[in-house]
Amino acid sequence: GDSVTQMEGPVTLSEEAFLTINCTYTATGYPSLFWYVQYPGEGLQLLLKATKADDKGSNKGFEATYRKETTSFHLEKGSVQVSDSAVYFCAPSNDYKLSFGAGTTVTVRA
Amino acid sequence: DAGITQSPRYKITETGRQVTLMCHQTWSHSYMFWYRQDLGHGLRLIYYSAAADITDKGEVPDGYVVSRSKTENFPLTLESATRSQTSVYFCATYGSYNEQFFGPGTRLTVL
Repeated sequence: GDSVTQMEGPVTLSEEAFLTINCTYTATGYPSLFWYVQYPGEGLQLLLKATKADDKGSNKGFEATYRKETTSFHLEKGSVQVSDSAVYFCAPSNDYKLSFGAGTTVTVRA
Repeated sequence: DAGITQSPRYKITETGRQVTLMCHQTWSHSYMFWYRQDLGHGLRLIYYSAAADITDKGEVPDGYVVSRSKTENFPLTLESATRSQTSVYFCATYGSYNEQFFGPGTRLTVL
């Protein structure tokens, strides 16, 4: 089945710092790729997605590019805020199922 | 309100008791899922359902039972709770554009 390797956390940053969370995946076929975010005490919500090679997903200042040749989907944000403190999950999907990584906890300090 | 709801939000029970976690959606999405979230493991799929009366096992189904008599409801039952089932449980549906929508979660503690 599909699998995901995510950058281990926790990651602690200062406000306005640059954030990168690495994600590589193993999947059959040609999966869609997702980043989900979980704020404290809440369920997961979709942050961004990409459905084909070289697509760039973006939302709330976050970006990730589907790199088929390196099977990667790294998440980046140029200037983080305290409100970006959350757990981030990378997940490939070939159909209706998602395969989640362990998640990366990000804490942004003021 | 439209969306996906879970109940209860918090539950404490004892080893050996039966517990049912409820999940309700208002979108009429065909697919529904149950996950558990544990530190260091991310989310692991317990069971999923493609439609009413169609269910299938996920990655970690042992100790759980599901049913789906109506499209909008997908209850998860722990027939005899164990301490290892202490976790946060999330229900999700599969909507358009390959996106899954998650409920707020149920935090279950088994003493």
